[in-house]
Amino acid sequence: KAGVTQTPRYLIKTRGQQVTLSCSPISGHRSVSWYQQTPGQGLQFLFEYFSETQRNKGNFPGRFSGRQFSNSRSEMNVSTLELGDSALYLCASSLGPAGGTYNEQFFGPGTRLTVL
Amino acid sequence: DQQVKQNSPSLSVQEGRISILNCDYTNSMFDYFLWYKKYPAEGPTFLISISSIKDKNEDGRFTVFLNKSAKHLSLHIVPSQPGDSAVYFCAASEINDKIIFGKGTRLHILP
Repeated sequence: KAGVTQTPRYLIKTRGQQVTLSCSPISGHRSVSWYQQTPGQGLQFLFEYFSETQRNKGNFPGRFSGRQFSNSRSEMNVSTLELGDSALYLCASSLGPAGGTYNEQFFGPGTRLTVL
Repeated sequence: DQQVKQNSPSLSVQEGRISILNCDYTNSMFDYFLWYKKYPAEGPTFLISISSIKDKNEDGRFTVFLNKSAKHLSLHIVPSQPGDSAVYFCAASEINDKIIFGKGTRLHILP
């Protein structure tokens, strides 16, 4: 069974640009969550999508948005990039909604975004 | 407001000895607790979890202990092996809610 895949793996953008990251969950998984990892901050929750609906949202500005398609693939968009958006963006999928017993999350390798 | 805290950024343990990683939380509504392990250039991988109705869960060399009154959980690795060198994240969630991660503890297993 293929794992969670994220594209692209690396990305360099300049301030003010926008970026779209893609995540393909494990086949059959209907929940996709996005996290931002920066040095010293751990994994900070961005949002979770389940069956094309946003279930939960973290404390990030509106420049961060996402969506999920009918095949459970998800995209995350960041508009008007800032230097502080440089981070590893991780996507995780689970069979059911995240946070429940037995709905463990499986992570992709991440997309390393650098904003210059 | 950090709901899940891992107060030790790093920990060094001799190979073969016990590694104990600690985690504190503030939200008494957390129902489910997890530990993840992360190697460089890879996403975190699920290690072990525990429900709030239990106080211990064991899986091979890994045991998680939960002390609800102290709002504290710990991960024990016995015996520690070189491949255990990684960053370990503690995480928690309320029922069917988002998962909150700690900042991680880097574990170094010394030869």
